[in-house]
Amino acid sequence: SYELTQPPSVSVSPGQTARITCSGDALPKQYAYWYQQKPGQAPVLVIYKDSERPSGIPERFSGSSSGTTVTLTISGVQAEDEADYYCQSADSSGTPLFGGGTKLTVL
Amino acid sequence: EVQLVESGGGLVQPGRSLRLSCAASGFTFDDYAMHWVRQAPGKGLEWVSGISWNSGSIGYADSVKGRFTISRDNAKNSLYLQMNSLRAEDTALYYCANTIRGDCCKGPFDYWGQGTLVTVSS
Repeated sequence: SYELTQPPSVSVSPGQTARITCSGDALPKQYAYWYQQKPGQAPVLVIYKDSERPSGIPERFSGSSSGTTVTLTISGVQAEDEADYYCQSADSSGTPLFGGGTKLTVL
Repeated sequence: EVQLVESGGGLVQPGRSLRLSCAASGFTFDDYAMHWVRQAPGKGLEWVSGISWNSGSIGYADSVKGRFTISRDNAKNSLYLQMNSLRAEDTALYYCANTIRGDCCKGPFDYWGQGTLVTVSS
């Protein structure tokens, strides 16, 4: 079955740039979305349609796509960015699915 | 302000049924697709089911197909999930979410409720 693959964890120091990748064979044909989830809270959409940022999301969050990999980039990471991040897309039949999630640790 | 409020969760025995509800406000409910997404304790997110604005398009994850039924009542701004033949592996926090910025049934999930906990155990 189709899967979206994310690294389990990424660690960065405050002020540095964090990059979280998500790989999947259908990504060249399907948009990717990114969600931030802090402990005990519901997920929040931070990137849609590969690289668009909803209003209210800080400019340090950006998304990009290249072939079968999409990347969430957080520039100038702040302590408040520590969270789990999930990519989401759809398979070839249009069924939504999520990546396994990446825990971002701010050192 | 968009608000999604789930209810109906609880402790239920394996094989029994439960019906979840989601009350929506702050947006034009009957213009947008709605979804259920769940998260087992300590685990990642799993899409469960989605329904288009007019109920004309409905989808289910393989893990719940044939057991769960999604529906909506646009007159009541409400989304439902009828869950039958519940299993221990259905234990999760169930979120209601809408799709505003994308395609009906592929996502994204723009706004989320706070979830309602379903525990399946004898």
